[in-house]
Amino acid sequence: SQQGEEDPQALSIQEGENATMNCSYKTSINNLQWYRQNSGRGLVHLILIRSNEREKHSGRLRVTLDTSKKSSSLLITASRAADTASYFCASPASNTGKLIFGQGTTLQVKP
Amino acid sequence: GAVVSQHPSWVICKSGTSVKIECRSLDFQATTMFWYRQFPKQSLMLMATSNEGSKATYEQGVEKDKFLINHASLTLSTLTVTSAHPEDSSFYICSARSTSGRAREEQFFGPGTRLTVL
Repeated sequence: SQQGEEDPQALSIQEGENATMNCSYKTSINNLQWYRQNSGRGLVHLILIRSNEREKHSGRLRVTLDTSKKSSSLLITASRAADTASYFCASPASNTGKLIFGQGTTLQVKP
Repeated sequence: GAVVSQHPSWVICKSGTSVKIECRSLDFQATTMFWYRQFPKQSLMLMATSNEGSKATYEQGVEKDKFLINHASLTLSTLTVTSAHPEDSSFYICSARSTSGRAREEQFFGPGTRLTVL
């Protein structure tokens, strides 16, 4: 079953604006990961944040993790049309390594 | 590094036939590979965990006799959709986890295989 929920489900912004996506999960996690998927393509790993980390940056990406609220957010700054894609959060289920994905946020960045 | 390939990238078949999809880790060894299914505008749903040299572990509700998984080597897992029906039409994605190091935390995804059953 899917344990992650993301909001918003869809987001449309203008190029240059920031995009924020939120993810909530239900069980304890060791880490939380964010992936991007372009339409009809595979997933690209964006960033991993561990349970003992609160914030992590990678280029224009900023991820936060609040384990007390069981939530994470992904911020894309200065968005570009090429950022148009679906974004998923995922967390490992126990020690099996399998990932449980959130429902995803579809981001459209208008040029 | 850490490239995963899938073959074929798309396939169209007639109802009742079987289709085999390959997932290969090109530059690393993966004792564990995962198979996901994704319907249009939906998230990825894990189907099964493929372990090299042993039987796959299927998620609840996934028919193991219909979705045959073989993980014959540390770089190859195959998913065979047997007696395919139109409702099996979907996007099938595999992922692989490295055998060692911190990379074990990360999964590397293949580009997916679009299956259409007529």
